[in-house]
Amino acid sequence: DVKVTQSSRYLVKRTGEKVFLECVQDMDHENMFWYRQDPGLGLRLIYFSYDVKMKEKGDIPEGYSVSREKKERFSLILESASTNQTSMYLCASTTEYGYTFGSGTRLTVV
Amino acid sequence: QQQVKQSPQSLIVQKGGISIINCAYENTAFDYFPWYQQFPGKGPALLIAIRPDVSEKKEGRFTISFNKSAKQFSLHIMDSQPGDSATYFCAASKGGANNLFFGTGTRLTVIP
Repeated sequence: DVKVTQSSRYLVKRTGEKVFLECVQDMDHENMFWYRQDPGLGLRLIYFSYDVKMKEKGDIPEGYSVSREKKERFSLILESASTNQTSMYLCASTTEYGYTFGSGTRLTVV
Repeated sequence: QQQVKQSPQSLIVQKGGISIINCAYENTAFDYFPWYQQFPGKGPALLIAIRPDVSEKKEGRFTISFNKSAKQFSLHIMDSQPGDSATYFCAASKGGANNLFFGTGTRLTVIP
């Protein structure tokens, strides 16, 4: 069974901290995505990557960066966390047949 | 600009009833229309998908109806059950399942 694993289910961080959200997939997929999910706003694309060391901005990249040093791992970085980044973060990897999502990381910035 | 518009935002249905969620899109190049189901504490999972060469696809109690001329598609859940209570997302893309544009989601509650 295919798997996308997000390292933390719940995370509480302080304003101004640098935050790393990790995502690992075991399917050898080339394409990986980071979304944030907020009530009433659905899934909003932050960044995506079609290959190692490659990244593309999504719809809301401000305040975020990403890293993809290995094919299986795609990291989302909050350079200086702010309270408006409190949200559910979802990672996905995809083929032409569909998306597989991780279970999400609920981040609270205080 | 929202590429895919979804309604309603929330829906309450009695057990045994029909749940209907609607989506509309503008980009006529879209050729893949999936629905995702998300339970609390989980990521969304593919439920059912349709391509525009057919007007309807059915899998068990779940049916997608597709109206190409109106640029609309909808999810029907027949004989809705409390276990169907979840958030449902419609989506669309062109050229396959990559780079999906998601709707804003519908929170479905089925009451016993």
